Amino acid sequence: DTGVSQDPRHKITKRGQNVTFRCDPISEHNRLYWYRQTLGQGPEFLTYFQNEAQLEKSRLLSDRFSAERPKGSFSTLEIQRTEQGDSAMYLCASSLTRTDTQYFGPGTRLTVL
Amino acid sequence: GENVEQHPSTLSVQEGDSAVIKCTYSDSASNYFPWYKQELGKRPQLIIDIRSNVGEKKDQRIAVTLNKTAKHFSLHITETQPEDSAVYFCVTGGGNKLTFGTGTQLKVEL
Repeated sequence: DTGVSQDPRHKITKRGQNVTFRCDPISEHNRLYWYRQTLGQGPEFLTYFQNEAQLEKSRLLSDRFSAERPKGSFSTLEIQRTEQGDSAMYLCASSLTRTDTQYFGPGTRLTVL
Repeated sequence: GENVEQHPSTLSVQEGDSAVIKCTYSDSASNYFPWYKQELGKRPQLIIDIRSNVGEKKDQRIAVTLNKTAKHFSLHITETQPEDSAVYFCVTGGGNKLTFGTGTQLKVEL
């Protein structure tokens, strides 16, 4: 499968714990995006990378959230001191250029108890 | 920031009928208008897109129209089939992030 992959697919954690998600984009894609989707809503933009540079962050991305893409390939999204309001589907997408189609991964569903 | 409004929120049609979903947006800088389909528990998948220099685009049973002056765009599905049942999102893009509408739950009944 050469599509976008995400790991884990599901994560259950207790409030206050830290969690980290991984995204592997389509291999030749230089842009990588993170979105969050809550039940009944459309995905909301969190941040994006061009190669290893993080170029934009949404106001939704509080200080507890950090994303990295150290070698311009896979990316990680870490949430520190999780809160119940962080429960959502975290989607990753990738594209080849700024005007190209964004292809989404299957998402990581986070449940904070 | 961009605001994308989508309606209806739910749409039920008989198999073989047409379905129309309409969207409006606020940011005149938006120049890319994809539509994504999301089945329950699955990833959003692009079904068709249109760019600002084009007014209409068709791909088999799916067509999109764009009115940049009025900031309206719409999705038309003809000859609907049960497998068309899903949530459809209209989306705007300006080169970086995508802004999604609130979604339309389409149900195609036999």
